[in-house]
Amino acid sequence: DIQMTQSPSSLSASVGDRVTITCRASLGISNSLAWYQQKPGKAPKFLLYAASRLESGVPSRFSGSGSGTDYTLTISSLQPEDFASYYCQQYYSTPYTFGQGTKLEIK
Amino acid sequence: QVELQESGPGLVKPSETLSLTCTVSGGSISSYYWSWIRQPPGKGLECIGYISYSGSTYYNPPLKSRVTISVDTSKNQFSLKLSSVTAADTAVYYCARIARSGWFWDLWGQGTLVTVSS
Repeated sequence: DIQMTQSPSSLSASVGDRVTITCRASLGISNSLAWYQQKPGKAPKFLLYAASRLESGVPSRFSGSGSGTDYTLTISSLQPEDFASYYCQQYYSTPYTFGQGTKLEIK
Repeated sequence: QVELQESGPGLVKPSETLSLTCTVSGGSISSYYWSWIRQPPGKGLECIGYISYSGSTYYNPPLKSRVTISVDTSKNQFSLKLSSVTAADTAVYYCARIARSGWFWDLWGQGTLVTVSS
């Protein structure tokens, strides 16, 4: 199985900050990476796929990049509604696996 | 728009079978793959498996011996059965749609908490 490791596990930031979350795969996944946002008590919300392609309706302050084994999710200017947990997921090979999550908290 | 809704018992006894159904409304179950994903309290996400509208399945190997996913296109529903449950199977169970453009989940149900306890 491909192991996905996110860092940091938690992050404190302020409204307006630029934040970056990293996801590392245990082997190369050829940009087969998706990101999700999850708020407490809610289902995950799909944000991006193919490492950098934004889902329709997702604000442009979200962006993704990376290649090989290392990928990032960047929020350019944090808004109050962005404080949530974020998960990466590889779909390069089965079983499709998620990172352990990054909890983004208000400083 | 398309919506997913999980239904089923919220409490299951150890060693029994967990059974959940996902109803797809606002669109057809055809032409997509559908999935079950779970999240133990305070933990991360785990794909249980998926099924096509025609009935082809994939199950996550650690769960494969206990899982059955089925589809009923006439009712626009798909279902999950997980046998011989233990406390470790306590989780929020989500049904989700696999996107047409890749093996990721672009639409999720709200989730349902299933507790395994006597």
